[in-house]
Amino acid sequence: ETGVTQSPTHLIKTRGQQVTLRCSSQSGHNTVSWYQQALGQGPQFIFQYYREEENGRGNFPPRFSGLQFPNYSSELNVNALELDDSALYLCASSWTGEGAPLHFGNGTRLTVT
Amino acid sequence: EDQVTQSPEALRLQEGESSSLNCSYTVSGLRGLFWYRQDPGKGPEFLFTLYSAGEEKEKERLKATLTKKESFLHITAPKPEDSATYLCAVQHDAGNMLTFGGGTRLMVKP
Repeated sequence: ETGVTQSPTHLIKTRGQQVTLRCSSQSGHNTVSWYQQALGQGPQFIFQYYREEENGRGNFPPRFSGLQFPNYSSELNVNALELDDSALYLCASSWTGEGAPLHFGNGTRLTVT
Repeated sequence: EDQVTQSPEALRLQEGESSSLNCSYTVSGLRGLFWYRQDPGKGPEFLFTLYSAGEEKEKERLKATLTKKESFLHITAPKPEDSATYLCAVQHDAGNMLTFGGGTRLMVKP
């Protein structure tokens, strides 16, 4: 069974630039979600995709957007990067079943300078 | 709005010294309470799901319990390899999203 994989592992960008992060879901999972984790804090929900449609969104501005592909892989795009966007970005996949646990990748560490 | 508070923020134990981590939560319609372990530079690793008050789950030296307002993660005779940040999260009945607490950073000294 292949787990959740994310790329790249680290990224450095300049304020105002755009970034795309990628995620491959765990085999057999049909839902993918993205979380932002600032240093020393718990992860915060950005959004979730099911059947290529966004079906839940946290308190993040529209410059955070995403895609889910037919093979359940996913992208997170962030436009007009700000210094506060520096964080660990985590992708998680799961089934949609009630109480199904989310399985996380090891994240992408984004630094905005 | 769902809220999750974990305490203490950090905990130092000697090897073999048992203790408990607390997770207090407020959620409208609990679908599940989740415990995760996170090592530095890694993503959270799933440990347990608890669904209803009174439920208990065990895995090696860890035991998770749930009441209507709190969950506890009991660590019995911890070893240095148990050192990590332990995260608690709730999922309410409107979707799959998780609301996390800030975590407890556990350090076990030999």
